[in-house]
Amino acid sequence: KNEVEQSPQNLTAQEGEFITINCSYSVGISALHWLQQHPGGGIVSLFMLSSGKKKHGRLIATINIQEKHSSLHITASHPRDSAVYICAVFGRGGSNYKLTFGKGTLLTVNP
Amino acid sequence: DVKVTQSSRYLVKRTGEKVFLECVQDMDHENMFWYRQDPGLGLRLIYFSYDVKMKEKGDIPEGYSVSREKKERFSLILESASTNQTSMYLCASSLTFQQFFGPGTRLTVL
Repeated sequence: KNEVEQSPQNLTAQEGEFITINCSYSVGISALHWLQQHPGGGIVSLFMLSSGKKKHGRLIATINIQEKHSSLHITASHPRDSAVYICAVFGRGGSNYKLTFGKGTLLTVNP
Repeated sequence: DVKVTQSSRYLVKRTGEKVFLECVQDMDHENMFWYRQDPGLGLRLIYFSYDVKMKEKGDIPEGYSVSREKKERFSLILESASTNQTSMYLCASSLTFQQFFGPGTRLTVL
């Protein structure tokens, strides 16, 4: 069983919809990364958080350390948000800042 | 802005060839990482380096080796390429937790 589970694996939405992607992890962590990968493109870091909530434009990331759960929300979704969203965690006590990755959520936003 | 560059975006090699993938970062980061990404499997760590000439195996090091002679450069070597090494290869660097990724090299081994 992967230590980092994402849901859903695939998500299709209409432009303007509110989107939520979930990430659950089974280990104690130091920090959690949300990453975005466009088709054929490199990976971009969206957020790194260890508690609470962060907001950047239409993107919001939350984390609940006690429940070992994080969510990525996209408000007023747009076709350019279509990408793979990846959750990754840094295990507590680990060395050299190694990440454990979820398998990603493929988001398609239709116009 | 941190910049991580990889030597090629696309590469086609033949089985048995020795393949070098190069990664360069310009932010004096100590940590550098090589991943491969395959459909349904996500990102998997091949090797990482936390200092010049220092390296550690990741989750799937078999069939690969690495070299870090200078801080800014981290090379991934496929000693004898095989078809099951066809994949997207991504390099990343970090100072602490946040990792910065290169654009990726899509390697096809025929």
